[in-house]
Amino acid sequence: DTGVSQDPRHKITKRGQNVTFRCDPISEHNRLYWYRQTLGQGPEFLTYFQNEAQLEKSRLLSDRFSAERPKGSFSTLEIQRTEQGDSAMYLCASSPWSSFAFFGQGTRLTVV
Amino acid sequence: GIQVEQSPPDLILQEGANSTLRCNFSDSVNNLQWFHQNPWGQLINLFYIPSGTKQNGRLSATTVATERYSLLYISSSQTTDSGVYFCAAKNDRDSNYQLIWGAGTKLIIKP
Repeated sequence: DTGVSQDPRHKITKRGQNVTFRCDPISEHNRLYWYRQTLGQGPEFLTYFQNEAQLEKSRLLSDRFSAERPKGSFSTLEIQRTEQGDSAMYLCASSPWSSFAFFGQGTRLTVV
Repeated sequence: GIQVEQSPPDLILQEGANSTLRCNFSDSVNNLQWFHQNPWGQLINLFYIPSGTKQNGRLSATTVATERYSLLYISSSQTTDSGVYFCAAKNDRDSNYQLIWGAGTKLIIKP
């Protein structure tokens, strides 16, 4: 296990469609984070899991976004009824403790 | 909530030059990290440094928590150092888990 893995790397979807992204964290990392990054900006926090529990969710996250981590291992992020403003890089990170995060390569979403 | 500001926004240097990147934060922090995002988008953690000084090869970082700033030093720059450098911080007052990120410093190293 060499790092955080995200799938797919790229996704193009039509406005109004649902999309789901997957993140496989580094083994034994109990903490998992989702971030969103738009061009020219730093990552923006979306949500945080400790094991299977979703402990924090950004107030900026609309009801169209949902995330799960059913067995405390991999996680999925679903966006329903996508909008053009959802186009961004979606980043997943994991850490064994609270202080040092390791990032995946991201999923780039384009909504047309 | 805490605010994180980075400077300069852009920096262009010749290979071999040294550089200093700055991160200012508006409140006390218990977590501060530096990251490098390469031109392919991969974020790599460089330092976890809520206070003090650390060094890793040609890179070093210093955080002066009482004065609310952190510095990242890159010596003898190489073209592979190009990319965007982010500072991210948090304190427990605002969130137990949410890092607040600066807008980054875009570094270009010319051969």
